[in-house]
Amino acid sequence: EDQVTQSPEALRLQEGESSSLNCSYTVSGLRGLFWYRQDPGKGPEFLFTLYSAGEEKEKERLKATLTKKESFLHITAPKPEDSATYLCAVPPPSSGYALNFGKGTSLLVTP
Amino acid sequence: GAGVSQSPRYKVAKRGQDVALRCDPISGHVSLFWYQQALGQGPEFLTYFQNEAQLDKSGLPSDRFFAERPEGSVSTLKIQRTQQEDSAVYLCASSSGTGETGELFFGEGSRLTVL
Repeated sequence: EDQVTQSPEALRLQEGESSSLNCSYTVSGLRGLFWYRQDPGKGPEFLFTLYSAGEEKEKERLKATLTKKESFLHITAPKPEDSATYLCAVPPPSSGYALNFGKGTSLLVTP
Repeated sequence: GAGVSQSPRYKVAKRGQDVALRCDPISGHVSLFWYQQALGQGPEFLTYFQNEAQLDKSGLPSDRFFAERPEGSVSTLKIQRTQQEDSAVYLCASSSGTGETGELFFGEGSRLTVL
């Protein structure tokens, strides 16, 4: 059973066109939800950790929010350099260190 | 170097060959993780080391997979008798703590292709 589901699978935006990516999770007793960015041919790069519903974190044009069932990654006025795959992950109930990743959302921002 | 270093970056193996993938974590990082990433998928956990101790190997797909970190720094992931389904990118990550913050530093990965 998938613990993390991300949508959409792919998203194409015009530069400056704001949007949101979704990460739904089913694990109980959430011990953190993590967002990573992955560029082609590279390893994932850590963006944010969220621990409790209502929490928000921001970094440049990105803002991550968390509810009891899902997280959103809001991208405001994106630029072409924001193009990447965005991954969401949660620890499984049995472990505090291993991460279960979603399949990711592939974002393309065109000029 | 400042980041996690993995080698080789690319490896092509014939089915049945053994391969060894190396990970050099960030200096001083206690925790080291191996993940497997198939094309179009998110990374999947393989194994976890805290210093030289392998605390979790529950994600290793079969007994053909073996990982070690004998001195608590460099780690090697070995795959014996490779199969086509082993083709994937193998990512190594390290963390200064136990990794519970989720802030892992990943290498660029080793892409394995089994023919």
